[in-house]
Amino acid sequence: AQSVTQPDIHITVSEGASLELRCNYSYGATPYLFWYVQSPGQGLQLLLKYFSGDTLVQGIKGFEAEFKRSQSSFNLRKPSVHWSDAAEYFCAVGTSSNTGKLIFGQGTTLQVKP
Amino acid sequence: EPEVTQTPSHQVTQMGQEVILRCVPISNHLYFYWYRQILGQKVEFLVSFYNNEISEKSEIFDDQFSVERPDGSNFTLKIRSTKLEDSAMYFCASKTVTDTQYFGPGTRLTVL
Repeated sequence: AQSVTQPDIHITVSEGASLELRCNYSYGATPYLFWYVQSPGQGLQLLLKYFSGDTLVQGIKGFEAEFKRSQSSFNLRKPSVHWSDAAEYFCAVGTSSNTGKLIFGQGTTLQVKP
Repeated sequence: EPEVTQTPSHQVTQMGQEVILRCVPISNHLYFYWYRQILGQKVEFLVSFYNNEISEKSEIFDDQFSVERPDGSNFTLKIRSTKLEDSAMYFCASKTVTDTQYFGPGTRLTVL
């Protein structure tokens, strides 16, 4: 069955420090992979996506993610975190069915210390 | 930039009442979705809609739920007889043929 695991429920980093949020997926075919961010009271905003090609993808707000097929991972990174990055981050896998539904991980809450 | 909109932002209802959640997808999109997020839990797929019919639904989407695209712009989710466990944030999403879904801000449904 398709699934997404985000092992870290809550992460705290200092402003200016680097960040890595982990995501592992289980999917039989070539996955479409996404990272979304949700600020309090807001909807889900797409940060970046991987469909094919270069395994290192760049997104908005200085985020990047690397697809590693051998590890079934799609970890999100940012070299220097800003206080405004505090939010909840969701990794998702898109199925290749006609519906293209998304399967989400549990989410990681990022707290940024001044 | 075009965006998905949802109304209302917050809906409070009594158990057993019917509710309709409304969404206006991005205008040139063809695929429409509803997801829900119970407080503290992951976002879960409910239903997808394409070419004026349901293309896939989850186990959650039972006979109490229905979706409709009544005109060229709106996409609605109806819950016929709400239960306490229907309390959640409901997200609408839409996409074109490419696989990037754009989400609305959500409707928080509270069932008392």
